Amino acid sequence: DAGVTQSPTHLIKTRGQQVTLRCSPKSGHDTVSWYQQALGQGPQFIFQYYEEEERQRGNFPDRFSGHQFPNYSSELNVNALLLGDSALYLCASSLVGGQGETQYFGPGTRLLVL
Amino acid sequence: LAKTTQPISMDSYEGQEVNITCSHNNIATNDYITWYQQFPSQGPRFIIQGYKTKVTNEVASLFIPADRKSSTLSLPRVSLSDTAVYYCLVGDMEYSSASKIIFGSGTRLSIRP
Repeated sequence: DAGVTQSPTHLIKTRGQQVTLRCSPKSGHDTVSWYQQALGQGPQFIFQYYEEEERQRGNFPDRFSGHQFPNYSSELNVNALLLGDSALYLCASSLVGGQGETQYFGPGTRLLVL
Repeated sequence: LAKTTQPISMDSYEGQEVNITCSHNNIATNDYITWYQQFPSQGPRFIIQGYKTKVTNEVASLFIPADRKSSTLSLPRVSLSDTAVYYCLVGDMEYSSASKIIFGSGTRLSIRP
């Protein structure tokens, strides 16, 4: 039973560039959430996708956008990168209607913006 | 939003039982209590979840008093590999709960030989 997978594991970009991160949910899950985790802090919720639509959004600017595909996998896009976007980006999957909405996290993508 | 308060850090020794308490005074009726463990540069790992009383699995126990305003994660006989950050989360049962769940800074647990 494959867990949540993310790609790439590491990424280096320069200010102003655009980046796309990818996530495949745990088998049987239909909902994907994205989090940003700065060094030494807890994960912060970016947004959540269900049925290929963004259903919830945290306090992040429009530079952060996403997509969910029919197979439930998801992408996170960040435009006009800033130095402050350097962080670990986590993808979590869950199943709508699952008890307590337990989320399972992937290993993350470490993004460094220079 | 149901905010949680937990100690910033804790230290213990191998073989000891460790209890981490989390306060969530404004927990709502539909809210579950969930604990995650996170190692450096890895995603959080689900440990245990409960609604009331006591829950136990192969990894930990979760104690929730009747008023549900706090909860205690109990790790029996810890080892060096239990050194990690532990997050206490409170959220409701609906799929729309993700945006309402705040991780906070967690509790940094250090286990010594």
